[in-house]
Amino acid sequence: AQSVAQPEDQVNVAEGNPLTVKCTYSVSGNPYLFWYVQYPNRGLQFLLKYITGDNLVKGSYGFEAEFNKSQTSFHLKKPSALVSDSALYFCAVRDMVGYGGSQGNLIFGKGTKLSVKP
Amino acid sequence: GAGVSQTPSNKVTEKGKYVELRCDPISGHTALYWYRQSLGQGPEFLIYFQGTGAADDSGLPNDRFFAVRPEGSVSTLKIQRTERGDSAVYLCASSFLFGAEAFFGQGTRLTVV
Repeated sequence: AQSVAQPEDQVNVAEGNPLTVKCTYSVSGNPYLFWYVQYPNRGLQFLLKYITGDNLVKGSYGFEAEFNKSQTSFHLKKPSALVSDSALYFCAVRDMVGYGGSQGNLIFGKGTKLSVKP
Repeated sequence: GAGVSQTPSNKVTEKGKYVELRCDPISGHTALYWYRQSLGQGPEFLIYFQGTGAADDSGLPNDRFFAVRPEGSVSTLKIQRTERGDSAVYLCASSFLFGAEAFFGQGTRLTVV
């Protein structure tokens, strides 16, 4: 079964420092991977995705993620964190299993709370 | 509209009642998804439509839950005989092409008292 793991419940970073939010995945075949951010009382917002091609994917708000096939990881990164980046971050994989089965839906991790302090 | 619209934004209902939650996807998006998010958890998949048909309803927890998308656009999630455990934020999302990113609505917060 396809799955996503976010091993950290919370990540604390000082403003201006680099940040990493970890994600590992388990899929059959080639993965479609996504990162979403959720601000308090807001819907999920798309940040970036990996489908194919360059392993380093650039997204919104200065975020990027590195796809590593050998480590089955898709960690989210930002060179310099802002206080306004504080939010809940979700990694997701698109379920590609089987014709007429679970094609299309996103499977989410449990989320990582990012806290950036001034 | 410009984004995915969900109504109502909040719904409080009594245990045992019937509720309907509406989702209006981005125009032209063929895929529509329903998710449920409980406090402190990631979104949990419920059902996925491709056009008018439910391509995958394996996430619906039981037969009290049902969803329709009769014209391939607006979708309604229906919950019969609501239980307190149904309380959660129900999220709807749509995407243009299979494999493309999904855009989410603000969600409907359902509280069953």
